[in-house]
Amino acid sequence: DAMVIQNPRYQVTQFGKPVTLSCSQTLNHNVMYWYQQKSSQAPKLLFHYYDKDFNNEADTPDNFQSRRPNTSFCFLDIRSPGLGDAAMYLCATSSSGSTDTQYFGPGTRLTVL
Amino acid sequence: DQQVKQNSPSLSVQEGRISILNCDYTNSMFDYFLWYKKYPAEGPTFLISISSIKDKNEDGRFTVFLNKSAKHLSLHIVPSQPGDSAVYFCAASVITGNQFYFGTGTSLTVIP
Repeated sequence: DAMVIQNPRYQVTQFGKPVTLSCSQTLNHNVMYWYQQKSSQAPKLLFHYYDKDFNNEADTPDNFQSRRPNTSFCFLDIRSPGLGDAAMYLCATSSSGSTDTQYFGPGTRLTVL
Repeated sequence: DQQVKQNSPSLSVQEGRISILNCDYTNSMFDYFLWYKKYPAEGPTFLISISSIKDKNEDGRFTVFLNKSAKHLSLHIVPSQPGDSAVYFCAASVITGNQFYFGTGTSLTVIP
């Protein structure tokens, strides 16, 4: 009964080769988040969707894009991955944002060669 | 600039004893705080929360204490069990906002 699913769990890409990470949820939550977590660092919010409204963090690089075609799915696109983009990418959902609990997926570990 | 700090990367505690995990924050606007627990190969899972109108919240073996004047919160686990071994993240937000700011985590090891 997985609630937030991320595919793939491990992704290897080449420097500059576009890559897409996937997140799906069975919770019917309105809000979906993408976090980047580098080794020994705190998860850093990249952007989030409140329903179809996209909210980009000010310091999220333009190289990172997101799509949410429907309530259940959200994608993270990295247009030209650099070595510095190697990280764990966490997807999370919450019912309505604010103080609602965020439910996290297991993450996708991205390696850039 | 890290607004939420967990200065102890790791902590080891004997089974049955108390585990105390600490978290400091710099933004006085934060008014809602959470602790998440993360096992290897899994995403963080919600553990316990506290709003700034309280100074303590308890849920079974887990208690979170908030000291607003010191901008400090702590998570107490009593008694500690081996299954509590995980990475614990502190997070903070403004109630009216959508973003949680996370600390870097503390890896707790409970020794049987």
